[in-house]
Amino acid sequence: QVQLKESGPGLVQPSQTLSLTCTVSGFSLTSYNVHWVRQPPGKGLEWMGVIWSGGNTDYNSALKPRLSISRDTSKSQVFLTMNSLQTEDTGIYYCNRNGAAYWGQGVMVTVSS
Amino acid sequence: DVVLTQTPPTLSATIGQSVSISCRSSQSLLHSNGNTYLHWLLQRPGQSPQLLIYLVSRLESGVPNRFSGSGSGTDFTLKISGVEAEDLGVYYCVQGTHAPYTFGAGTKLELK
Repeated sequence: QVQLKESGPGLVQPSQTLSLTCTVSGFSLTSYNVHWVRQPPGKGLEWMGVIWSGGNTDYNSALKPRLSISRDTSKSQVFLTMNSLQTEDTGIYYCNRNGAAYWGQGVMVTVSS
Repeated sequence: DVVLTQTPPTLSATIGQSVSISCRSSQSLLHSNGNTYLHWLLQRPGQSPQLLIYLVSRLESGVPNRFSGSGSGTDFTLKISGVEAEDLGVYYCVQGTHAPYTFGAGTKLELK
């Protein structure tokens, strides 16, 4: 069945770089898009970006200067890299398929020294 | 960017009551391919969001048919016909017609 699972460090220091991995199963990255969405504590959902099935990417314009999404299709993995982290980047980070269906469990990221 | 305005922000309901949530878009969500990429999600406390309705009115597999979606262009509605306890949480509309994708601010459904 379709599954997505996020992984990465739970704690990142301010100004450092966040690296997250979304490992998928049950579908091919060359057939479906994978999106990243985040949620600050107690707040709503924010779309971050997408890697399309063809390999192109699109980003939230507010995050674009410091955000990168890539993939390794042979490993069924999608990567999120975001630099210059600040405390307001604290929250749960999710990956999902096609923007709305099949979400991962999310990974909590805390930006703190 | 497309702005999705959800109302009300909070909804108090009794079990069995029917309720509706509105999602209004700052621009038409009708794609040039004829599809309207407006979907509804439910996020229960402590859980990941789950898809309820996609493409305005199509019920996701496994979702109870007390949920229904309607609308077109810029105005969309999610209706729950007979709230059950498991329906409590925050409902979001999300659009994928125009890049970047955007979410509504959410509607919290509480028990009265």
